[in-house]
Amino acid sequence: AQTVTQSQPEMSVQEAETVTLSCTYDTSESNYYLFWYKQPPSRQMILVIRQEAYKQQNATENRFSVNFQKAAKSFSLKISDSQLGDTAMYFCAFMRAGTALIFGKGTTLSVSS
Amino acid sequence: EPEVTQTPSHQVTQMGQEVILRCVPISNHLYFYWYRQILGQKVEFLVSFYNNEISEKSEIFDDQFSVERPDGSNFTLKIRSTKLEDSAMYFCASSFSPRDPDRVNTEAFFGQGTRLTVV
Repeated sequence: AQTVTQSQPEMSVQEAETVTLSCTYDTSESNYYLFWYKQPPSRQMILVIRQEAYKQQNATENRFSVNFQKAAKSFSLKISDSQLGDTAMYFCAFMRAGTALIFGKGTTLSVSS
Repeated sequence: EPEVTQTPSHQVTQMGQEVILRCVPISNHLYFYWYRQILGQKVEFLVSFYNNEISEKSEIFDDQFSVERPDGSNFTLKIRSTKLEDSAMYFCASSFSPRDPDRVNTEAFFGQGTRLTVV
């Protein structure tokens, strides 16, 4: 069975600084997708960034980028120039092709001024 | 921008009562999901639905749960006899196709959630 592990329950960062959230996963599959979702206090689930396992290039979306290490089964999220609005819980998620998302336990990120 | 909508946003029910949580997925999507999140914990998969039948379900999705697509737009989750431990946030999600390598079509769009409180 696939598992997703987020080893940092809480992180904090100052505005404008950079922070990296860790995620590891376990799978024997070769074709899969990885995601980072943001859940602000409103509890809406918002997709931040995705990575297809067959792509070697790391995904980027504006201030958000990932470090995808397929052999190490690692998928970390880097947030650059942190903003107060980035304060939220961040979930790493794994999906085999054709199946549902499997989420990690989440990392609560606090951005302070 | 199309979105997944869920109603109600908050439901309070007595233990043992039946509840129906409603979702309107994005109109051209083919795959529908229910997830739940007990307060402060991770998001857990319940069930996926495709072509008018369940395509996958988790161990959580036992006989007290059922899903239905009663018409062309709604997707519902019914809990027959609620228990205190069913109190959670329930999220509906939809995607066009989870298999398609096109990055757009694999994305699951989530609704804003229904907070269910069983008392």
